[in-house]
Amino acid sequence: QLQLQESGPGLVKPSETLSLTCTVSGGSISSSSHYWTWIRQPPGEGLEWIGSVYYSGNPYYNPSLKSRVTISVDTSKNQFSLMLSSVTAADTAVYYCAGTSFYHMDVWGKGTTVTVSS
Amino acid sequence: QSALTQPPSASGSPGQSVTISCTGTSSDVGGYNYVSWYQQHPGKAPKLMIYEVTKRPSGVPDRFSGSKSGNTASLTVSGLQAEDEADYYCSSYAGSGSLLFGGGTRLTVL
Repeated sequence: QLQLQESGPGLVKPSETLSLTCTVSGGSISSSSHYWTWIRQPPGEGLEWIGSVYYSGNPYYNPSLKSRVTISVDTSKNQFSLMLSSVTAADTAVYYCAGTSFYHMDVWGKGTTVTVSS
Repeated sequence: QSALTQPPSASGSPGQSVTISCTGTSSDVGGYNYVSWYQQHPGKAPKLMIYEVTKRPSGVPDRFSGSKSGNTASLTVSGLQAEDEADYYCSSYAGSGSLLFGGGTRLTVL
């Protein structure tokens, strides 16, 4: 049973870089059955796709965030990561990692809250 | 890319059926059979309910069904139950590896 768990700082200062990690358990991140996605949800708002990455391929990013986002995979640790630079209060959200298969997210982490504040 | 359009709210009485729409364009909903629906209870992670327009993951009741016509996809919940009260989000592949979400619909069971 594939499980995902987000980790990282819950508080980030404005203009700094948000960095989160998703640990995959119960399966290999190198499996061909899934690729890996980050999604966020600002307080009281809807879901926003941040980007996705295959373990061995190029990442795909939301055009509105592309200039600030990096998603990468560490197969040795069975983890994938999100980095979002130059954050502002608008980046305050619950961040979810998810396992994705044919453009649907069938496995989700529980989410981690990130607040951008000085 | 613009978010897919969903009604902000929907409601129905127990036992009734409710349909939630999700409208996009020919570049996303209308162009691919990769529409999915997610249920989210307060404070919880979303849960996949429908994928590839009409398919249900194992464990999802058959009261939940999906369809698509042109640029609009729909989620129908039949035989409404109290536990169906939640937020529902649609999502669609939009080409070039990208995904779009709808703004979400709050379903209230009266």
